[in-house]
Parts: sequence; C-alpha cells; structure tokens
Amino acid sequence: KAGVTQTPRYLIKTRGQQVTLSCSPISGHRSVSWYQQTPGQGLQFLFEYFSETQRNKGNFPGRFSGRQFSNSRSEMNVSTLELGDSALYLCASSPFSGANVLTFGAGSRLTVL
Amino acid sequence: EDQVTQSPEALRLQEGESSSLNCSYTVSGLRGLFWYRQDPGKGPEFLFTLYSAGEEKEKERLKATLTKKESFLHITAPKPEDSATYLCAPGSSNTGKLIFGQGTTLQVKP
Repeated sequence: KAGVTQTPRYLIKTRGQQVTLSCSPISGHRSVSWYQQTPGQGLQFLFEYFSETQRNKGNFPGRFSGRQFSNSRSEMNVSTLELGDSALYLCASSPFSGANVLTFGAGSRLTVL
Repeated sequence: EDQVTQSPEALRLQEGESSSLNCSYTVSGLRGLFWYRQDPGKGPEFLFTLYSAGEEKEKERLKATLTKKESFLHITAPKPEDSATYLCAPGSSNTGKLIFGQGTTLQVKP
C-alpha cells in the first residue's frame, strides 16, 4: 500500500515568488491536512481538506492557501514568499475528517532566499 | 489558550538505560492524547492514542501513560534504533485539531 507522497521534496525560491506543493494521500483516504514545521515553532496546523472542501484552518495569513481535487489529491500554495516561510511542509492523510491518527508524508523542504 | 510543553528538549541515553519523557498540556475539550515518532528526514509516525486518565498503552520498549494534565512516554532498555524525536499532541474538540508539542529528541548510544 503506497504511503502519502509529497512533491517536490526540496525546493529553493526567492522572496516574492510563489510556490505550489503537492500531496497524494493514501488510497481511500479522503482527508488531507497540511502542517508547517520549523525549529522555532514546531508543527503548526495550516488547514484540512475533505471532499474538496476546507474543513478547518489554522492561524496563517491568507498567502497560504490550498485545494483538494476529486481524487483527494491536494495542493497548497504560498504566494509572495517571505524568508520566514522557509520550513518543512508536511501533508497528512486520514480516512475521514477530524481524525487525529494521521499518516504523514516525508514533507517538502522549502528554502526561501 | 491551548498549550503543550514537552520535556526534556533533548535526552541522551546509553543503550539499556531506561528513562521517561514528559508531556504537560492545557487543552480545552481534550479529545485524546496522541504520541508520534519522527525520524530525521521523515514525517511523524503515529505511536499511541490515550483517552482516559489512568490509561496505558505499550509497544515494544515504549509505554505511554496519561493523567489529567500530563502524559509520560516511558522507554525501557532503549536501543539505538529508538533514537528519534518524540512528539506529543493533545487533540482539541474545540478547534478540531491536534496541538503538537516541540518534541523530545532522544539519542541512544550503543
């Protein structure tokens, strides 16, 4: 059974650019959550999507957005990148919305220069 | 405000030297206490869920326990492969999401 797949694994951007990250959940999982992980703040919840609808949202600015497609794959976008956006972005999937037993991907490491 | 504090931040043990990791939390509407393990370069991996004070769960050399305000992860006779960052995360029924602690980075020397 394939796990949660995130692409790209590593990327480097400059301030002001935008970035799109992709996440393919475990087959049959319909909920996808996104987290930002930094050494200073730890793991922070960005948002959760279920059945193509955003079900929950963390305390991040509107520059952070996401969407989910009918096949449950999800993308997150960060516009007008700032240095502080450098982080590991983790995607996690679960069979249903609001689940706390999550299966995480390996993450996308974003560096903003 | 919901808060989670894990201690110590880092722990170095010799192989076979047992110890405990602490997770203190203040969460409105606790909906379970979750432990995850994270290896370098990987995403967190689910270990345990605890729901009630007094509950215990075991997996190999790990045992998690829960009180009303704390959870402990006891590691008995650890091996080098237990080296990882252990994350504690209470679930909040108010916000509907997990609140992750900063983690304890465990290093077990052979």
